[in-house]
Amino acid sequence: DAGVIQSPRHEVTEMGQEVTLRCKPISGHDYLFWYRQTMMRGLELLIYFNNNVPIDDSGMPEDRFSAKMPNASFSTLKIQPSEPRDSAVYFCASSLGTDGVLEQYFGPGTRLTVT
Amino acid sequence: AQSVTQLDSQVPVFEEAPVELRCNYSSSVSVYLFWYVQYPNQGLQLLLKYLSGSTLVESINGFEAEFNKSQTSFHLRKPSVHISDTAEYFCAVSLIQGAQKLVFGQGTRLTINP
Repeated sequence: DAGVIQSPRHEVTEMGQEVTLRCKPISGHDYLFWYRQTMMRGLELLIYFNNNVPIDDSGMPEDRFSAKMPNASFSTLKIQPSEPRDSAVYFCASSLGTDGVLEQYFGPGTRLTVT
Repeated sequence: AQSVTQLDSQVPVFEEAPVELRCNYSSSVSVYLFWYVQYPNQGLQLLLKYLSGSTLVESINGFEAEFNKSQTSFHLRKPSVHISDTAEYFCAVSLIQGAQKLVFGQGTRLTINP
């Protein structure tokens, strides 16, 4: 398997623009997690899905952030409008339900810069 | 709620020296414990995990961690480090019963000097 795939790897955008980050989990995995990593706040869980259904979105910073998982092989994280403080590395991870959270497989991340 | 504290944000050591990265957690219920490693410009990878049984767990590349319930700690050790161990290391916990998510510590940057 190719592992968790994220696109784009780098995104530079201007404040106010819409940003969409994409994730393809490992085939067969039924949990999908979105994280944000910054120097100041470390690694934060934003939202996670089980069988395409959002289970916990308590980490989503505000209404400007939204996440969807239309099918088992694709998820998006959207920021609209983007702000400079959203600059971070965003990771997607997936895991297998029978293992629960016992091992999460992380993608390479998307480095977002909002100017 | 669970929380994880990694006591050192940066640890510089010389090659072939031993190292210990400290991790303490707080939880009112039983948890699973993990160490993840992040190499430069990459995502996180699972290094080792404690689920049950022996309190000493080992990874394939020479790291080990010991679960100490009384001290609520899960420190990571390696007797002799290599340049290739340079990375950021994250300690994490998850509930045994309930929410299927990890709570991470702030990370410890391990720098190996030749």
